[in-house]
Amino acid sequence: HSVLTQPPSASGTPGQRVTISCSGSSSNIGNNYVYWYQQLPGTAPKLLIYRSDQRPSGVPDRFSGSKSGTSASLAISGLRSEDEADFYCAVWDDSLRGWVFGGGTKLTVL
Amino acid sequence: EGQLVESGGVVVQPGGSLRLSCAASGFSFDDYAMHWVRQAPGKGLEWVSSVNWDGSSTYYADSVKSRFTISRDNSKNSLYLQMNSLRAEDTALYYCSTITGDPNYWGQGTLVTVSS
Repeated sequence: HSVLTQPPSASGTPGQRVTISCSGSSSNIGNNYVYWYQQLPGTAPKLLIYRSDQRPSGVPDRFSGSKSGTSASLAISGLRSEDEADFYCAVWDDSLRGWVFGGGTKLTVL
Repeated sequence: EGQLVESGGVVVQPGGSLRLSCAASGFSFDDYAMHWVRQAPGKGLEWVSSVNWDGSSTYYADSVKSRFTISRDNSKNSLYLQMNSLRAEDTALYYCSTITGDPNYWGQGTLVTVSS
């Protein structure tokens, strides 16, 4: 049972827009930046979004992040088959004095 | 380009000890807090431990507190994780990472298997 709640799965067809949610609390998302990672099968995670809504260089602008209150979202527009992966949110938790990861969302491109 | 390379993962018996290492290259290692993140087979990511840039502050997940010790040697651009009293549930692929910031670095992981 993770401190951050993500839907276990999400899906969409090529070209569609998909959003993945990450729900937390005032001690984590409500007070700190959210980070999003993409993990392709058999590879290390890759940072997609930092500081809740910033894209690292090299990450396409199809990926965007937002935060409101104690929840955050990752949106993927113009869905492509190569976007099929596991996605994780992460944030520092002030109460736990540590980082917490969401349980992960498996994205399927139909 | 920056790179992180983990090593030290092996098969170890329950109750045993292990030291993981992570060698950094191609970026200013001492500019970054460093972290260990693990992933059990078929499971999600789990944060394990963090250390600030100069090693003066360390943080641990409850699941490893008092058993694992994180440290770093900036003169060697290296991060370490001393793992004691290992349990079956510690079996995982262990990644070292900067977690935050752009650019962002993750190693390829080193596999720790705790089994008799």
